[in-house]
Formats: sequence, structure tokens, C-alpha cells
Amino acid sequence: EIVLTQSPATLSLSPGEKATLSCRASQSVSSFLAWYQQKPGQAPRLLIYDASNRAAGIPARFSGSGSGTDFTLTISSLEPEDFAVYYCQQRSNWPPFTFGPGTKVDIK
Amino acid sequence: EVQLVESGGVVVQPGGSLRLSCAASGFTFDDYAMHWVRQAPGKGLEWVSLISWDGGSTYYAGSAKGRFTISRDNSKKSLYLQMNSLRTEDTALYYCAKDKGGRPPDYYMDVWGKGTTVTVSS
Repeated sequence: EIVLTQSPATLSLSPGEKATLSCRASQSVSSFLAWYQQKPGQAPRLLIYDASNRAAGIPARFSGSGSGTDFTLTISSLEPEDFAVYYCQQRSNWPPFTFGPGTKVDIK
Repeated sequence: EVQLVESGGVVVQPGGSLRLSCAASGFTFDDYAMHWVRQAPGKGLEWVSLISWDGGSTYYAGSAKGRFTISRDNSKKSLYLQMNSLRTEDTALYYCAKDKGGRPPDYYMDVWGKGTTVTVSS
């Protein structure tokens, strides 16, 4: 089973700042990695798939990069609605599909 | 509007059984594989099961294998999760989610329901 590790666990930033979130896989997942956003009391929302492709309707301030075992989600300038928990998910080696433990982006 | 609505979550005793349902609308249901994903209170996301567009292939997480059965009825645009031998650690919010890829699937989840809560407790 591929284990995904996310860092940091919590990221405290102010609106307008840049957020950089990391996801590391226990073995290569090629580019088969997605990022999801989850706000309190809501279902997750797909942001990025195949490491760097934005899902439909996702603003351009969200970008993804990486391949192999190291991936990054970047939010170029945080909007108030971006404060949430972010999860990565791999679909390279399954079952199971696995998620990382999440990074919480909160307001500084 | 593309929508998924889960139902069937209740409080059940350890060892009990439960069937969750997910009603789909706004898309061609039988073109897409479907997933169940759960989230224990205050915890992260855990993939539970996947079913192919035609129901012919099913896959499970280790925690679900042998106890849970995923199925679908394309004529009713519905997805199901039969859960047997429930344990306290199965307590979670259960989401159904649509696979983004269609035929073939790409195993990312682009539409999610709001979830239904299963509580396993004596």
C-alpha cells in the first residue's frame, strides 16, 4: 500500500499570502496524484488531478506540480475561502486508493 | 445539476448490518465508475470501495473486504453499500463519489455527496 505523507500538518497564513503544501509518497506514483479541498461541514472538492491539471471550475491561483514521490500544491494568493483542509490522493497503485492525512490551512 | 444524495446512515450495534444508498442525478450514471469514501469523526479521508460502470468489477479497502459489498442499479441510478459485521471503527461519515473519468475511469473523484453518518455503538 502506498502511504502518502503531507507537510506541514498546519499552515498559518494571512489572506494574500502564498501557500505551499507538500505531499510525499512512499514509492513512485508517477503523476497519478490529486489534491482535494475540504471545508468544515462540507464534502471534499477535487482541485488538481494528474499532479498538475486543474479540475473544472478551479481558479488559476491553485496549481500543482511534481512527479514520482514529491508533489506540491501552491495557492498563489490566499483568498478568505481558501482556508480549509487539503488532502492528496494517489491512483497509481491500487487498491487501495490512498489519501494523505491532510494539511490544514488556517488564518494567522 | 450533477448531484449525489446518500441515505441509510443510522446508529447500529456492533456486529449489525446496514445498507447505504446513493441516488445520482444530472449525469449519465451508467457511464461512470463510483466510489465510497468514509471519514471518521475528526479524521481524514479513507477510500472504501469502487465499482465499475456496469457493476462487473468491484474493489475494496482491506478494512472493508469480506464485510462490505458495493453494488449498483443503473436502471435506478443508484449506488449501494451493504455493510455487515459492523465494528465501532466503522463509525464515520460515508460519502459516495463519482469517478471523474467515465469510460475508462481515471480513479479521481470529481463529484461528492454530502454524506450519511453511520454510528456503530452499543
